[in-house]
Amino acid sequence: DIQMTQSPSSLSASVGARVTITCQASQDIRKNLHWYQQKPGKAPKLLIYDASNLEAGVPSRFSGSGSGTDFNFTISSLQPEDLATYYCQQYDNLPLFTFGPGTKVDMK
Amino acid sequence: QVQLQESGPGLVKPSQTLSLTCTVSSGSISSGDYYWNWIRQHPGKGLEWLGFIFSSGRTYYNPSLKSRVAISVDTSKNLFSLKVTSMTAADTAVYYCARGASSWNGGYYFDYWGQGTLVTVSS
Repeated sequence: DIQMTQSPSSLSASVGARVTITCQASQDIRKNLHWYQQKPGKAPKLLIYDASNLEAGVPSRFSGSGSGTDFNFTISSLQPEDLATYYCQQYDNLPLFTFGPGTKVDMK
Repeated sequence: QVQLQESGPGLVKPSQTLSLTCTVSSGSISSGDYYWNWIRQHPGKGLEWLGFIFSSGRTYYNPSLKSRVAISVDTSKNLFSLKVTSMTAADTAVYYCARGASSWNGGYYFDYWGQGTLVTVSS
């Protein structure tokens, strides 16, 4: 099975700060990596698919990059409404979907 | 836009079978190349994919739970369902249904989610 790691597990940043989260896969997953935002008490929401494609309606301050085993998710200017936990997700051909352990983003 | 809504009991006794339903609205469960998923989240923890079903009835399950999970679909009612047998306290979680989509690039992800339903296993 492909294992996913995320770092950091949590972070605190000020409004307007640039925030970057990394996700690493244990095997090459090409660009089959997707990012979700989960606000407290809510369902996850798809933000980025295929590593770097912004889902329709998602603000452009969110972006993703990477391929193979190393991926980045960036919030270019953190807003108060971005307080959430962010998860990466991959798919392999078993089929099996796996999520990363999550990164909790707090406001400083 | 597509909406999904989970329904079912919030409390299940140990050893019983959990049955949940996900009703899909504003879109047909039979249209498009989508697959219909169940995902759960233990309290304060991460996300665990349980399995999915195509509108044809073909299913795939997470190997870690395969023997206990069954997913079915009723296209006439535009819904799909989850059964988990032999429930224990370790199965206490928020259960989500979600639509699975794929991209031309071969990516597979979840683009619409239900609000989730908390299931507690307790006597």
